[in-house]
Amino acid sequence: NAGVTQTPKFRVLKTGQSMTLLCAQDMNHEYMYWYRQDPGMGLRLIHYSVGEGTTAKGEVPDGYNVSRLKKQNFLLGLESAAPSQTSVYFCASSWAGATDTQYFGPGTRLTVL
Amino acid sequence: GESVGLHLPTLSVQEGDNSIINCAYSNSASDYFIWYKQESGKGPQFIIDIRSNMDKRQGQRVTVLLNKTVKHLSLQIAATQPGDSAVYFCAENIGYGGSQGNLIFGKGTKLSVKP
Repeated sequence: NAGVTQTPKFRVLKTGQSMTLLCAQDMNHEYMYWYRQDPGMGLRLIHYSVGEGTTAKGEVPDGYNVSRLKKQNFLLGLESAAPSQTSVYFCASSWAGATDTQYFGPGTRLTVL
Repeated sequence: GESVGLHLPTLSVQEGDNSIINCAYSNSASDYFIWYKQESGKGPQFIIDIRSNMDKRQGQRVTVLLNKTVKHLSLQIAATQPGDSAVYFCAENIGYGGSQGNLIFGKGTKLSVKP
């Protein structure tokens, strides 16, 4: 039981490049989330999903897209990376929504030059 | 407690002492609160939660207190150990009872434990 895993762990992009971050969970959770964490800040919700095939916007969705084609996977895409998207990205999952314990992955550190 | 700007509040305690980390939440309608611990280079880890119909909840070595009158949440750690050194985040949610809602995280407090 690996919990929540994220790939890659680190990535450096140039402005304008695209990439996809992968989150996988093996706990059969319905809900999945993508957060970003900037220095001295708490986590801010980018997008989330309440089940396979569904996605919804969070607090800071601009510049990101997501897909939940399989229940266990939640993908975060950056179509045209910008330096403002330099951050640490965390994925999380839970059984029953935001009032249930969220289990976090180890994070992906992204730098956009 | 909550920080303004980029500098995290820091709490330094001696090993074996009790720690109290404070958090002011923003929304009087919030009905669910959580504390997370984040060690360097890792994702946040759940510590304890509390619903708004409670004032206090205890776990193993940790206690969360909720004061709805002043919108204040605190985390108490008994007999603090070096392994407790981390950044602690409080989070609130106003979605319980029908709507999904989402967690709103505070900026965190860094706890340093001196041996």
